[in-house]
Amino acid sequence: DTAVSQTPKYLVTQMGNDKSIKCEQNLGHDTMYWYKQDSKKFLKIMFSYNNKELIINETVPNRFSPKSPDKAHLNLHINSLELGDSAVYFCASSQGVHYGYTFGSGTRLTVV
Amino acid sequence: AQSVSQHNHHVILSEAASLELGCNYSYGGTVNLFWYVQYPGQHLQLLLKYFSGDPLVKGIKGFEAEFIKSKFSFNLRKPSVQWSDTAEYFCAVTSTSGTYKYIFGTGTRLKVLA
Repeated sequence: DTAVSQTPKYLVTQMGNDKSIKCEQNLGHDTMYWYKQDSKKFLKIMFSYNNKELIINETVPNRFSPKSPDKAHLNLHINSLELGDSAVYFCASSQGVHYGYTFGSGTRLTVV
Repeated sequence: AQSVSQHNHHVILSEAASLELGCNYSYGGTVNLFWYVQYPGQHLQLLLKYFSGDPLVKGIKGFEAEFIKSKFSFNLRKPSVQWSDTAEYFCAVTSTSGTYKYIFGTGTRLKVLA
């Protein structure tokens, strides 16, 4: 049983396309996150939802839109993909501030 | 501004050597501190965490870290590294209230030579 699962694992697409990444957690956590890890391994938070409510929305282009249909799912939709969007996107969930994150296995997005 | 600094970007050690990775943070208020490990091609996994009590915390795989409040530091240590410890190590800090946004350090790439 995968705790935090992301699909797809790899995504190669052309500039200008629209794509989505899905994330599901079966841990019963209330809070979910999207992080972007660039080529230098730097991790930066993008969004966070707590029980379907957006609580963190960092400075991210409007082309990125998260959607949380329920507290177990947090999807990321990206419009008009650009070369600079190439990165690994990690989904994570948390039971609370003392417990740390459980990360998904990541989605490697390559925009060509 | 909130930040986490990991001064060692790349560390190369031989097996059985001792390890210490530095982490300093700048964050107002009470904090929780974490170390995560990312093995090649894998996702981040929690190594250990501190939120209160004994400033010396022990984690998985023989790792430990010491929180020194006066120095705003949370250094990671292991007395004897193994080849399988080759990975990227990330320090992270979050406040104990609010949105619990984590700030990650830039990571330290550890390579252990067999």
